[in-house]
Amino acid sequence: QSVLTQPPSVSAAPGQKVTISCSGSSSNIGNTYVYWYQQVPGTAPKLLIYDNNKRASGIPDRFSGSKSGTSATLGITGLQTGDEADYYCGTWDRSLSAGVFGGGTKLTV
Amino acid sequence: QVQLVQSGAEVKKPGASVKVSCNTSGYTLTTYATHWVRQAPGQGLEWMGWINAGNGDTKYSQKFQGRVTFSADAAASAAYMELRSLRSEDTAIYYCARGRRVVVTAIQYYFDYWGQGTLVSVSS
Repeated sequence: QSVLTQPPSVSAAPGQKVTISCSGSSSNIGNTYVYWYQQVPGTAPKLLIYDNNKRASGIPDRFSGSKSGTSATLGITGLQTGDEADYYCGTWDRSLSAGVFGGGTKLTV
Repeated sequence: QVQLVQSGAEVKKPGASVKVSCNTSGYTLTTYATHWVRQAPGQGLEWMGWINAGNGDTKYSQKFQGRVTFSADAAASAAYMELRSLRSEDTAIYYCARGRRVVVTAIQYYFDYWGQGTLVSVSS
C-alpha cells in the first residue's frame, strides 16, 4: 500500500497527450515538492521532474509537472513509443520523515 | 560525469545477511546523502533510508529499523547497505541513489542519480 496514489496504467496513441495523477495528503504533497521518475523496464529509475515543475537535465519540454493542493500531475505531449515506461511520483512525508513514492503508472503508447 | 556503480547480484538463504556496495564517482560522496531504495519483483519503489558519509549520520525507515545498517568509506567514495535476517520477502532489486537536499517546510531529499541496481534473491 503506497503512501501516494497513482493510476495503475494509462495509454494513448503516438503523438497524443497523456496525464498521470498523483494524490497524497497534507503531510506530504500538500507541504513539499513533488518529483517524477521514469523507469524503463529493466533499468534504474531516472529523474524527470523536480521541485514540482522543473525538468531535470536533458529532459525534453514534452514533459511537464504541476501541483495543486495535495495532488500532482505529470503531463507528456507528443507521445513517442520510447516513452513507454513506468512513471513514479515521489516526495517527502514530514510526519514519517521519510521518502515516499506512488505505486507507479505504466504508460502504454 | 556522476556515476553510481553497484556490486553484483547475490543469492542468499533465509536468515543470512547481505552487503551491497555503491561505488561513486564524479562528485564528492560527503557532499550528498546516499539513499537506498528497493523494488520487489513487479512492485513499486520503497525508500529504505539514507547515510551522510560526511558525518556518519543515518536515518532508517521504520520498516527496516534494527535489520539494516548503512555505512560509507569517504576515502573510497563508496557507500554500503547491509540487510540482516533475510527472508523471502526481501527478494528485490536494491538501488543506491544520490540525494539532493531541499529545504521546504522541512529538510527533504530527491534522487537525481541512481545506481544500476543489485538483485538480491532470498531462497532456501
